[in-house]
Amino acid sequence: GEKVEQHESTLSVREGDSAVINCTYTDTASSYFPWYKQEAGKGLHFVIDIRSNVDRKQSQRLIVLLDKKAKRFSLHITATQPEDSAIYFCAAPNTGYQNFYFGKGTSLTVIP
Amino acid sequence: GPKVLQIPSHQIIDMGQMVTLNCDPVSNHLYFYWYKQILGQQMEFLVNFYNGKVMEKSKLFKDQFSVERPDGSYFTLKIQPTALEDSAVYFCASSADWVSYEQYFGPGTRLTVL
Repeated sequence: GEKVEQHESTLSVREGDSAVINCTYTDTASSYFPWYKQEAGKGLHFVIDIRSNVDRKQSQRLIVLLDKKAKRFSLHITATQPEDSAIYFCAAPNTGYQNFYFGKGTSLTVIP
Repeated sequence: GPKVLQIPSHQIIDMGQMVTLNCDPVSNHLYFYWYKQILGQQMEFLVNFYNGKVMEKSKLFKDQFSVERPDGSYFTLKIQPTALEDSAVYFCASSADWVSYEQYFGPGTRLTVL
């Protein structure tokens, strides 16, 4: 089955509201969870990550929550702005190896 | 921040031809990766590379695929011969170390095999 499942394929929010994107993973040993942003025609841009020794991390308007028991992690974008519109990917490492499993991506649209 | 460049951005070729995708990694990085993303699907790992050698590869990394980085120049992915199912966007990434998982990605090369 899917190693990393990203639950929302599309998401629309009004400017100023919060957006939440959820991912689940299967490997209990996973210890690092990055989030990437992809704008049209561009590569993946790292936005934030969380390691398994914490359950919350914040960087400006971005918050990542990690629930190890549920094997779930989420990206919260607060006070959204139109420039937040992009595709967001979650990922988790293939434990024991140096590569990632990616979610299918969430296309976020922030409506002005 | 650090940038990974990929050349070309688009490539269209006929099935059976050879293609080389080029990646210019972050200058002090030593570990290199290729991922493949078929339209509408998630990105999947192909191969990683360090010190002139393939370290790990997935089942997607067929015998027709090869990677190299001659003399510190571009990190390349060569497909010979190409097949229709090779049509995808190929992303290159690089990292400074093997343990932090912090990979920097390029913008991708869209390969279309006709």
